[in-house]
Formats: sequence, structure tokens, C-alpha cells
Amino acid sequence: KQEVTQIPAALSVPEGENLVLNCSFTDSAIYNLQWFRQDPGKGLTSLLLIQSSQREQTSGRLNASLDKSSGRSTLYIAASQPGDSATYLCAVRLTWGSNYKLTFGKGTLLTVNP
Amino acid sequence: IAGITQAPTSQILAAGRRMTLRCTQDMRHNAMYWYRQDLGLGLRLIHYSNTAGTTGKGEVPDGYSVSRANTDDFPLTLASAVPSQTSVYFCASSEGAGNTEAFFGQGTRLTVV
Repeated sequence: KQEVTQIPAALSVPEGENLVLNCSFTDSAIYNLQWFRQDPGKGLTSLLLIQSSQREQTSGRLNASLDKSSGRSTLYIAASQPGDSATYLCAVRLTWGSNYKLTFGKGTLLTVNP
Repeated sequence: IAGITQAPTSQILAAGRRMTLRCTQDMRHNAMYWYRQDLGLGLRLIHYSNTAGTTGKGEVPDGYSVSRANTDDFPLTLASAVPSQTSVYFCASSEGAGNTEAFFGQGTRLTVV
């Protein structure tokens, strides 16, 4: 059974700091990995999708890496801002029988202090 | 661009009542999913549909049913609600079942009393 772990569970940093969020998964036979952001009381917003054949993806101040062999992904946020405060979730997509599903980690709650 | 629309936004429901959570997407995505999110447990898949006319069970399907009569709609029904079904429910979709990005609705907060 695929398990996804995110460390740390919570992180508080001062504005302007660069930071890394970690995601690990137990089954390396994934199709892709997706990072989401969730604001309190809101839905999930997709940030980055990394295909299994890729090593990283970038969008603005965000950079996500993927190392399938070690079962790890990181989300790097450069020059953090208070508006980055949210819960960040990673999810891996894999086959489940003949179907596909996303398995989520429990998230990292990020607080960026002004 | 609406994306995924869920209704209602929130609901308080008496135990034993029947309830249908609605989900509509306008992206013509083939695959749709229902998740529930609970504190400490994260997001868990309830049911999914890889294409119109087909559905399948996820990790926690008991007490829930779905239908997929067309591409756009994927309602989730609680036949007889119980307090343990108190949760936030998210509908999601992706272009295909496999190697594609998933998009989520804003959620339905359901309280069963």
C-alpha cells in the first residue's frame, strides 16, 4: 500500500526566507506527483505536476523535484511571502488495479511571518 | 471559467436522512473523483469514475454511492447519513485517468447530527 509522508507537519519562517518542504512515498512505481496548496476552508489549488520521467518542475518562485528511486520529492519556495501561508499537500498518482488514484500526504502547514 | 462547481457549500443534516452532494465540471474531463478530508486522516478517495458510464470504489466507499450519467456531472449520495460521515467533501477531475493533472472543487462541508 502506497504511503505518503510529509515532513515537517508545520513550519514557521520569517518573510524572505527560502524554504524546502519534503514529501516521501513508499512505492516508487508512480505515474506522477502533484503539489497542491490549500488555504483554510478552501479547496486544493494545483501548484506543480511532475511526470515520472521528469526530475523537476518550476513555476515562478516554486521548484519541485522528484527522485523516484529514493521515493522523495521536495518543494522549494524562494523568497517566501506572507501570502504563501497555507497547507501544502503532495500527492502521488499510481495504478490501483486497472485504475488510477491520487494518494495524499497529510500536508505541511506553512506560516510566513511578516 | 468555472472549473469544478460543488453544491451545497455547507450543510447540516440529521442522521438517517438522504443527501446528494452535487459536482459539475465544465472542462470536459473524463475522470472524476470524490474525496473526503478529515483532520488527522488527510484526503481519502471515496469513489471515482474514469469515464462517463463507469464508476469504481475507492478506499472508503461504504455508505456512499455515485453515478456518472454524463461527462460533466458526478453526484455523491449518502443513502442514510451517520455522524461519522461528518467531513469536508471534495470533488476532483482530470483529463484522463492516468498521467494528468487533477483539479479540485471548493468543497462541501457536511455535518451530520
